[in-house]
Amino acid sequence: TQLLEQSPQFLSIQEGENLTVYCNSSSVFSSLQWYRQEPGEGPVLLVTVVTGGEVKKLKRLTFQFGDARKDSSLHITAAQPGDTGLYLCAGFSGTYKYIFGTGTRLKVLA
Amino acid sequence: DVKVTQSSRYLVKRTGEKVFLECVQDMDHENMFWYRQDPGLGLRLIYFSYDVKMKEKGDIPEGYSVSREKKERFSLILESASTNQTSMYLCASSPGLAGFQFFGPGTRLTVL
Repeated sequence: TQLLEQSPQFLSIQEGENLTVYCNSSSVFSSLQWYRQEPGEGPVLLVTVVTGGEVKKLKRLTFQFGDARKDSSLHITAAQPGDTGLYLCAGFSGTYKYIFGTGTRLKVLA
Repeated sequence: DVKVTQSSRYLVKRTGEKVFLECVQDMDHENMFWYRQDPGLGLRLIYFSYDVKMKEKGDIPEGYSVSREKKERFSLILESASTNQTSMYLCASSPGLAGFQFFGPGTRLTVL
């Protein structure tokens, strides 16, 4: 069974701090996605990473795909209250199914 | 802007009722999905469809059925709602084997 474990599960930080969220699996994925979900809403796609070792930047967010395509990280620089939400990673192995991570709930305090 | 819409944001039904959840996408995507999301259990796939009139069971299909008569529309049906089907239901679509999905806003279903 493919599993994606995210850490930490919960994170509460002050505005301006940096943070990193990890997404780990023993399985290889052809691509990996990161989503952010706000309470009562559906997940919103942030980025897709495809190549092992790939790094993508989206303003203050930096996403990295592991060399072996089994893990990924999301780094947020100078977090803001607007970054608050549930962050989900999802692995895609080339079939129709996506494997979702357990989620990291981030709260950024002003 | 790409869009996935769901027919209701909030729904309250009684045990035993037949419930229809509708999802429409305007991106001409081949694939559509229904998930439920519960605290501590994450997103679980109920059914997906890779073409009109085609459907495949996901991880938790029991108590649900689906219908896809048109490419843009994917319906989830609870044949006889039960309290353990109280959940957030999320619809998603994706183009081919693109490796990413777009989600709708979700339907929060409460079964009393």
